[in-house]
Amino acid sequence: GENVEQHPSTLSVQEGDSAVIKCTYSDSASNYFPWYKQELGKGPQLIIDIRSNVGEKKDQRIAVTLNKTAKHFSLHITETQPEDSAVYFCAASIGNQGGKLIFGQGTELSVKP
Amino acid sequence: GAGVSQSPSNKVTEKGKDVELRCDPISGHTALYWYRQSLGQGLEFLIYFQGNSAPDKSGLPSDRFSAERTGGSVSTLTIQRTQQEDSAVYLCASSLELAGGFWTDTQYFGPGTRLTVL
Repeated sequence: GENVEQHPSTLSVQEGDSAVIKCTYSDSASNYFPWYKQELGKGPQLIIDIRSNVGEKKDQRIAVTLNKTAKHFSLHITETQPEDSAVYFCAASIGNQGGKLIFGQGTELSVKP
Repeated sequence: GAGVSQSPSNKVTEKGKDVELRCDPISGHTALYWYRQSLGQGLEFLIYFQGNSAPDKSGLPSDRFSAERTGGSVSTLTIQRTQQEDSAVYLCASSLELAGGFWTDTQYFGPGTRLTVL
């Protein structure tokens, strides 16, 4: 079945450094790839998403890259701040019909001041 | 504007009891999703409603789980004869899904209901 693998499961960086989280997906028909940030006790919040017709998207300190050939996509956070500490989830749409998403297992990011 | 809301925020129940979890999607959103998140795990798809179409129930783990969506808005997830392994956070999301659209639309999540089965 469809699968999304996310790495690493935990990531610790110093404030100001960059953080990179990587995901691979199995369904070649996937066309939508969102990233969510989840803080303790809260629901996931969308931070950035990318569709399969582009290879890169940037929003201030956050960027996402997509390699359709290799079926992987990555989240890049630059100039990390302590408030970036949270669990980050990647997801991929299942096929290109309907709205179902399959999620990675999450990355716990810790930014040390 | 108002986001997705869920109630209750926490629910503690005894094994064997039935529970109902409620989701109010963002006004105007036609698609609604339920996910389950076990401790320290990713999100597991349960069920998906889109407009007046038959729901996609492919993720429901057993026939003890069911969901309905009344009037195209509020949804209720029901778990019958709860088991301890049902303990998890149940998350609801909604999206503005255009009929026949090719692209998957952004899903906005509620805060979740934490279910504990003793």
